[in-house]
Amino acid sequence: GQQVMQIPQYQHVQEGEDFTTYCNSSTTLSNIQWYKQRPGGHPVFLIQLVKSGEVKKQKRLTFQFGEAKKNSSLHITATQTTDVGTYFCAADKLSFGAGTTVTVRA
Amino acid sequence: DAGVIQSPRHEVTEMGQEVTLRCKPISGHNSLFWYRQTMMRGLELLIYFNNNVPIDDSGMPEDRFSAKMPNASFSTLKIQPSEPRDSAVYFCASSFGVGQTGNTIYFGEGSWLTVV
Repeated sequence: GQQVMQIPQYQHVQEGEDFTTYCNSSTTLSNIQWYKQRPGGHPVFLIQLVKSGEVKKQKRLTFQFGEAKKNSSLHITATQTTDVGTYFCAADKLSFGAGTTVTVRA
Repeated sequence: DAGVIQSPRHEVTEMGQEVTLRCKPISGHNSLFWYRQTMMRGLELLIYFNNNVPIDDSGMPEDRFSAKMPNASFSTLKIQPSEPRDSAVYFCASSFGVGQTGNTIYFGEGSWLTVV
């Protein structure tokens, strides 16, 4: 499967601040999916991006697919404690990145 | 609808024992995946099936691991003999379709395995 790299591996955020996590591939992807895993839980699907340059929003979360379809980003605004967890991107639904683990300080 | 169902949820076993993990995919899904998650290696795809046929088992660590899918509603992942380094959370997941043309992957709650 495709290999995807996620950065940063860890993100410690002050409540109320914004942050972005990135997913990069050396090859062009057909699609990319984002999942969230809460501590002790299982990965849960968030969104899928298919089109070049596509941008989708879910409340405070903004997902973007790069023009070349080789990278993607997840931007969270006004971070809340409920955002704690690990965010994974998955290339073509088979290869998961290492994830970005987010902790929030109140 | 019931999600992906895995059993057991937790298992503690002694080194050398056989471990069998079970999975019931979501009804109607024709693709099934086994993943292993550890702190060191993250989420690794072990094997996936499409229409009950193993498609890619390149992620299976070694011969001690085997997976079967005798029918569309059941799969097993077996470790024999188990070793302490097999301790991990094993996730089963299912989807309709696979890879580029497949749909969302739905994960079970995982089987937490500890080998002592």
